Amino acid sequence: DSGVTQTPKHLITATGQRVTLRCSPRSGDLSVYWYQQSLDQGLQFLIQYYNGEERAKGNILERFSAQQFPDLHSELNLSSLELGDSALYFCASSVYSGLSSYNEQFFGPGTRLTVL
Amino acid sequence: TQLLEQSPQFLSIQEGENLTVYCNSSSVFSSLQWYRQEPGEGPVLLVTVVTGGEVKKLKRLTFQFGDARKDSSLHITAAQPGDTGLYLCAGAGTNFGNEKLTFGTGTRLTIIP
Repeated sequence: DSGVTQTPKHLITATGQRVTLRCSPRSGDLSVYWYQQSLDQGLQFLIQYYNGEERAKGNILERFSAQQFPDLHSELNLSSLELGDSALYFCASSVYSGLSSYNEQFFGPGTRLTVL
Repeated sequence: TQLLEQSPQFLSIQEGENLTVYCNSSSVFSSLQWYRQEPGEGPVLLVTVVTGGEVKKLKRLTFQFGDARKDSSLHITAAQPGDTGLYLCAGAGTNFGNEKLTFGTGTRLTIIP
């Protein structure tokens, strides 16, 4: 158990809908990262938050957004869903502050999103 | 764009054999991590290497970071069926705001009893 929790574990929805994925980081970790894993693209970085603020963006679509709350949990919002958005979505957390070379990220169990 | 290529992509060997998985890039990373992932689950961190030339051992697994911090290898001695899984290397950047992990293409390992 990594200490990172994600809900829900499975989500089935229809095209055009909107969903919210939730992540709680390990106790003490200030950074939260979201990754998408699909069969053809592998694990791809979407976005990072550090202590409530957006820190870095990756290959995140404009239909997707995220935020990190004062209690450090994070939500990833996916809207106007398309069939191609079906994938595993992982949240990871780390204590990394940018002051060292160590950046160990610990992953949650993921949310499997199926868009029909 | 930072890319990490892993080889081989698939590997199926008999229990008791040794194997090596390679992770190569043209980019320098501040650290490199190895994960193992089971189907439908999140990647589990195995090790982090930071210093060029660093070697770390985890029981039968030996990890090495290249001198130039662009490549890494994972060597498994006397493989066991429990080693079966998807092995992923991931590099972290060196700059502020570049702490994301860039994942390798993965090596799917099957150990045959």
